Amino acid sequence: NAGVTQTPKFRILKIGQSMTLQCTQDMNHNYMYWYRQDPGMGLKLIYYSVGAGITDKGEVPNGYNVSRSTTEDFPLRLELAAPSQTSVYFCASSLSRTAGDTQYFGPGTRLTVL
Amino acid sequence: GQNIDQPTEMTATEGAIVQINCTYQTSGFNGLFWYQQHAGEAPTFLSYNVLDGLEEKGRFSSFLSRSKGYSYLLLKELQMKDSASYLCAVRVNNAGNMLTFGGGTRLMVKP
Repeated sequence: NAGVTQTPKFRILKIGQSMTLQCTQDMNHNYMYWYRQDPGMGLKLIYYSVGAGITDKGEVPNGYNVSRSTTEDFPLRLELAAPSQTSVYFCASSLSRTAGDTQYFGPGTRLTVL
Repeated sequence: GQNIDQPTEMTATEGAIVQINCTYQTSGFNGLFWYQQHAGEAPTFLSYNVLDGLEEKGRFSSFLSRSKGYSYLLLKELQMKDSASYLCAVRVNNAGNMLTFGGGTRLMVKP
């Protein structure tokens, strides 16, 4: 299993540009998440999904959109990039919400908006 | 809302023991996780507590007191490779198995 994979690893955007961060997992996990991590800080939840076709907002959803058309893929869309969206973005997945089910993280995408 | 506090930085010596504390305030508590994150890498799972008491896994142990809203991660026989950030995360009863993370504790292990 490759686990959780993310592309691209790095990206520089200009203000106002748009892009999609890709996330794929091959563990047949139902739950998927997008977090952002600013330098020296913890992770903040942007969006999550409990299964294909179902998504919901997390703590910091403004400026982002997601979709979940398949179990494997959970792309994150930035429509109008702003400098405040400079961060490291992590995608994660978990099998279920059973006690003890941990979240597995992808390697992250480092995004800079100039 | 939820509030999770942990020290920002700690320093310890190779071979020693270090305890990283985490306090939380939440309703509907449903488990506490510890993750390790090396610089520039993704967080990786270390431990999970949902009941009071100590969970031991090799050199790492984690303790939980639900009545006090308190957990700690204990690292024994410190090695240089243990230099990393340690993230405390709380899960509450919700549909999405969502976690709320503390700001992380950056541990520096010195020779």
